[in-house]
Amino acid sequence: EVVLTQSPATLSLSPGESATLSCRASQNVITYLAWYQQKPGQAPRLLIYDASNRATGIPARFSGSGSGTDFTLTISSLEPEDFALYYCQQRNKWPLTFGGGTKVEIK
Amino acid sequence: EVQLVESGGGLVQPGGSLRLSCAASGFIFSTYAMIWVRQAPGKGLEWVSLISDSGDGTFYADSVRGRFTISRDNSKNTLYLQMNSLTAEDTASYYCAKDRLAVPTYHFDYWGPGARVTVSS
Repeated sequence: EVVLTQSPATLSLSPGESATLSCRASQNVITYLAWYQQKPGQAPRLLIYDASNRATGIPARFSGSGSGTDFTLTISSLEPEDFALYYCQQRNKWPLTFGGGTKVEIK
Repeated sequence: EVQLVESGGGLVQPGGSLRLSCAASGFIFSTYAMIWVRQAPGKGLEWVSLISDSGDGTFYADSVRGRFTISRDNSKNTLYLQMNSLTAEDTASYYCAKDRLAVPTYHFDYWGPGARVTVSS
């Protein structure tokens, strides 16, 4: 199975700062990687699909990059509503797998 | 507006069974693959099962294969997850979600609010 390792586990930042989240795959997943945001008590929300494509309605401050085994989610200027958990997910090989998550918290 | 609403969660004893349902609306249900994903309390997301648009194709995580069965009734716009031989490790919130496109992409753009399943004596 493809193991996705997200780092850091926690990112402490202030509103207006930029956030860089990493997702590293144990095998090549090409660009078949998505990013989701989850807030407490809520379902996940698709942000980015196929490594760099923003999902419908996602603000331009969210961007994704990478290919192969190394991927990055960047939030260019954190808004108060962006403080949440973020997960990556690969679809290149069965089983579908998620990373362990990165929590973006207010510093 | 796309809506997914899970139901059927609750408290069940170890070894027991439960069937979750996911009522879908706002899109052509019969043309989208659907999944179940679970999240144990305080833990991350775990993919559980996926079913193709027609229901002919089903896939399972190793942790549930042989115990859980995914199915769908396209005439009722409803997805199901039959869970048997439940253990404490199955305690989680269970989410249903739809594929982003009508051709399988295995990225999921709409999710239900979740159904909580607790396995305990």
